[in-house]
Formats: sequence, structure tokens, C-alpha cells
Amino acid sequence: DTAVSQTPKYLVTQMGNDKSIKCEQNLGHDTMYWYKQDSKKFLKIMFSYNNKELIINETVPNRFSPKSPDKAHLNLHINSLELGDSAVYFCASSRTSGLEGEQFFGPGTRLTVL
Amino acid sequence: QQQVKQSPQSLIVQKGGISIINCAYENTAFDYFPWYQQFPGKGPALLIAIRPDVSEKKEGRFTISFNKSAKQFSLHIMDSQPGDSATYFCAASMRGSQGNLIFGKGTKLSVKP
Repeated sequence: DTAVSQTPKYLVTQMGNDKSIKCEQNLGHDTMYWYKQDSKKFLKIMFSYNNKELIINETVPNRFSPKSPDKAHLNLHINSLELGDSAVYFCASSRTSGLEGEQFFGPGTRLTVL
Repeated sequence: QQQVKQSPQSLIVQKGGISIINCAYENTAFDYFPWYQQFPGKGPALLIAIRPDVSEKKEGRFTISFNKSAKQFSLHIMDSQPGDSATYFCAASMRGSQGNLIFGKGTKLSVKP
């Protein structure tokens, strides 16, 4: 069984389009995250939700909007896509938002903006 | 401003050798230091983690050494195997940060047979 799943795995789109990436976890975790990994493999947190409430919102353009319909899902919607948005986006989850909540990562969504 | 500095950027080791990856941090409020392993096309996975109240933690062939006064920690992979070839990330977080992990830039390890 896949613990943290993301769809789609690959996303190729034109500049200016709006797209969404979906994430689901079946681990019963309370906290979910979105990370961006750039072409140099640098991994940076974007958002974190705990029990459907936003708890971390790093400096991310407001074109990015996370939505958590329930504890098991955290989707990422991106408006007006730009070339610089091309990256791999990882969803992750953890049992708690506390210090040592091991984060389980999904397989990633490679977004390419043309 | 990079809060966790990782080196080297890439590392080539012969099978059976020891791989050593180093990280340094600036914020003394950090008190949880995990290492994540990422294979190509996959998400990162937790390998081993340490709190600053101990100087070393060992799990199998993987050991974290921690030097609080120097604000440095390192990952040692003993008897490195080709299957260990991956990108390794150190990270740090602090109490009250709601799980906000600050990652190093990663080290691409290649273990040659």
C-alpha cells in the first residue's frame, strides 16, 4: 500500500495556465506538507497543515494555494504558472507537527512549465 | 541565508569504503537533526536522526556524529555498498517550529563496485 501518494507524477503545461497537484496519505497522520525541490535538488518547505489548519506558510507567491479538504488530503493549486515554477513538488506527512515527527514523503510530481 | 551547510556536494567512494558527509548549522535553537536519503525518482526517506543530548547514534552501517560546541554533525556510512548510491540530505529543526525542517543542499553519493 502506498503511504503517501501524489497525482500526477508528471505535469507539463504552458506558462499562464492553472494546475493542481493532489496528495493523499493513508497513514492516519495529522500533519501534511508541501515541499519544492529545484533543479539543483535543493529541498524547501512551502506549506504545512495540521488537522486541516495551515500552520506553516513560507515565503511562497500567492499564486500557490494549498487546500486540505480533510486530514488525509492536501492539494496544491498553482495559478498563472511561470517558468520558474518548474520543479519537483513533494507532499509529505507526519504523525505530529512536533519536533520529531518523522516525515514520510510521496514520490513527487515533476512540473515542467514551457 | 542558508542555515544548514552541507558538504561535499558529491562524493565517490569505493565499495567497502567509508562515506562521510558533513553538515554545519548556525542556529543554536536547532535541536533535532535528521538525515534523509533520496534515490533517483523517489521522495526522500528518513535514514537516521539525532538529538543534541548525545554525541553519536548508530543504526547498522549508518552513524551520526554530533559536535554541539562546533555546531556540526556528520553522517558516516561504513562498508559502503553500491546500493547506498543516492543523494543524502541533512536537516535541522527547532522546538516549536511545527516540523519545519531546514534542509542542507544535499550530497550525491556514488559507490563504485
